[in-house]
Amino acid sequence: DAGVIQSPRHEVTEMGQEVTLRCKPISGHDYLFWYRQTMMRGLELLIYFNNNVPIDDSGMPEDRFSAKMPNASFSTLKIQPSEPRDSAVYFCASSPAVTVYGYTFGSGTRLTVV
Amino acid sequence: EDQVTQSPEALRLQEGESSSLNCSYTVSGLRGLFWYRQDPGKGPEFLFTLYSAGEEKEKERLKATLTKKESFLHITAPKPEDSATYLCAVTNDYKLSFGAGTTVTVRA
Repeated sequence: DAGVIQSPRHEVTEMGQEVTLRCKPISGHDYLFWYRQTMMRGLELLIYFNNNVPIDDSGMPEDRFSAKMPNASFSTLKIQPSEPRDSAVYFCASSPAVTVYGYTFGSGTRLTVV
Repeated sequence: EDQVTQSPEALRLQEGESSSLNCSYTVSGLRGLFWYRQDPGKGPEFLFTLYSAGEEKEKERLKATLTKKESFLHITAPKPEDSATYLCAVTNDYKLSFGAGTTVTVRA
């Protein structure tokens, strides 16, 4: 398996623009998680899905952020409009059973909003 | 709310100099404590899961232990390739709450 695949690896955008981050989880993993990592706040959970259904989005910072999982092999995280304080590394992770296997993380998308 | 505190923030070791990293946690109904390794520019990589006090797990030069309030990651005779940030996380359901990490640098 190729692991969790995220795209793009790097994204530079201007303030106010829409940004879409993409994730392909490992086949057979029923849980999908979106995290954000910054130097100041570390790894923060934004939202997670179970069997394509959003379960907990309490970590989504504002209405500017939205996430979807239209099928078991694809998820998106959208920021509209983007702001400089959204600059961070965004990770997608998946798991077949969290308490047994933990998460498998993707390589992340480094977002810079200028 | 789950809390995870890691210390020290940074650790510089000479090759072969053993040391320990600490992870203190507060969680209601611990269902697992996890250790991850993160290299620069990459996502965290799973190392261990511990479930109950007294449990220990080993992988090469790394050994993780768990008590009711904290976990230790012991690095025995480290090599330069052990240089990384080590993250601790806890869960009581399906969400992992991470600590800030300890950045370990091993000099040859």
